[in-house]
Amino acid sequence: GAVVSQHPSRVICKSGTSVKIECRSLDFQATTMFWYRQFPKQSLMLMATSNEGSKATYEQGVEKDKFLINHASLTLSTLTVTSAHPEDSSFYICSARDVGGGPQHFGDGTRLSIL
Amino acid sequence: DQQVKQNSPSLSVQEGRISILNCDYTNSMFDYFLWYKKYPAEGPTFLISISSIKDKNEDGRFTVFLNKSAKHLSLHIVPSQPGDSAVYFCAASRFNAGNNRKLIWGLGTSLGVNP
Repeated sequence: GAVVSQHPSRVICKSGTSVKIECRSLDFQATTMFWYRQFPKQSLMLMATSNEGSKATYEQGVEKDKFLINHASLTLSTLTVTSAHPEDSSFYICSARDVGGGPQHFGDGTRLSIL
Repeated sequence: DQQVKQNSPSLSVQEGRISILNCDYTNSMFDYFLWYKKYPAEGPTFLISISSIKDKNEDGRFTVFLNKSAKHLSLHIVPSQPGDSAVYFCAASRFNAGNNRKLIWGLGTSLGVNP
């Protein structure tokens, strides 16, 4: 149980493109989902906390207009990297917590490469 | 400032022996600690957790010990199996200003269990 599906797993696109990443909880409902970013040899850094039906809470230093988060249902949150540039290239990973509480369950991540 | 530290980037253990992975933290506000396991090209998988009101939690071959005075926790795997070879992440949790639980991650320790 507690499967989180993240799609796509890899994206390579040109600078200026907007990229949407989906995070789905497949066998549970999640009122809260989390979006992380990981640079090489660094730990997972929380970007934002996404709450179903309300605005996401962004961590300090994360541009909310750059990283648009939508959590429209209890099983789906999306992260859109708008007008992506090479410095946005990174590993993005989402997690979800069951409405009943407990640990976060992670997707397999998305490797984003902006040329 | 790394609030959660895993000072050993790698560890090698013989099959059947005990694996001990260590984690130190600096913030006394953390009240919940988790260990995740990660295989290549997959997202982290929740392994075991411990609340700050306890000093030990056991689940099968996995035991987590918490020493609050030393701000130190450790994960013991007994007996170690080759399938345990993975990167292990320590994470600490506290409520943030928005009353959401936020995970702070260590850099991970790569465990290799030799047959």
